[in-house]
Amino acid sequence: DTEVTQTPKHLVMGMTNKKSLKCEQHMGHRAMYWYKQKAKKPPELMFVYSYEKLSINESVPSRFSPECPNSSLLNLHLHALQPEDSALYLCASSRPDRDTIYFGEGSWLTVV
Amino acid sequence: GNSVTQMEGPVTLSEEAFLTINCTYTATGYPSLFWYVQYPGEGLQLLLKATKADDKGSNKGFEATYRKETTSFHLEKGSVQVSDSAVYFCALTQSYNTDKLIFGTGTRLQVFP
Repeated sequence: DTEVTQTPKHLVMGMTNKKSLKCEQHMGHRAMYWYKQKAKKPPELMFVYSYEKLSINESVPSRFSPECPNSSLLNLHLHALQPEDSALYLCASSRPDRDTIYFGEGSWLTVV
Repeated sequence: GNSVTQMEGPVTLSEEAFLTINCTYTATGYPSLFWYVQYPGEGLQLLLKATKADDKGSNKGFEATYRKETTSFHLEKGSVQVSDSAVYFCALTQSYNTDKLIFGTGTRLQVFP
């Protein structure tokens, strides 16, 4: 079982809104990731959590705020986004040995 | 630095044709190599992987062999189907930083009946 579940699948938000993307996995994976993917481009790493602690922040603007409440959940809080932040946001997870990174279906975000 | 180079797409084939998508990499140490597939409107799915030289990854009729001497990991399938139409990403993780996937630009495959 390699299931990473993301909600919502689609989100439209205004530039003054506050919203959150959610990600869940029950595979016992201890590393979780947020990636951003623009159209016709490969995914770009945003954040990595390892054992519920933020281990990598790829210089992401502060309007994106990650949170890892426990080992199964990962949130991405969104505030004051810009239209250029519209993209597919992918959550992923991997086992402690980091052998393979598994992705969810993604959340399509549109900022208007 | 570390990087992955894929052939430009789109690759357009008729059903049952032979597929090759080229992938070469630049990396220090001993990277692990992956192929991910992204169907229209969906997230990424792991297609296959190889973790050391001469390993062959395979899944759903797709194969790729880790060639250290040519720094390549070309994806092949003997007979493609319309349902294989998707974007294929070659990627690597560095042996000293397995948290960061380094992707190629992706290759779009279009298969027509």
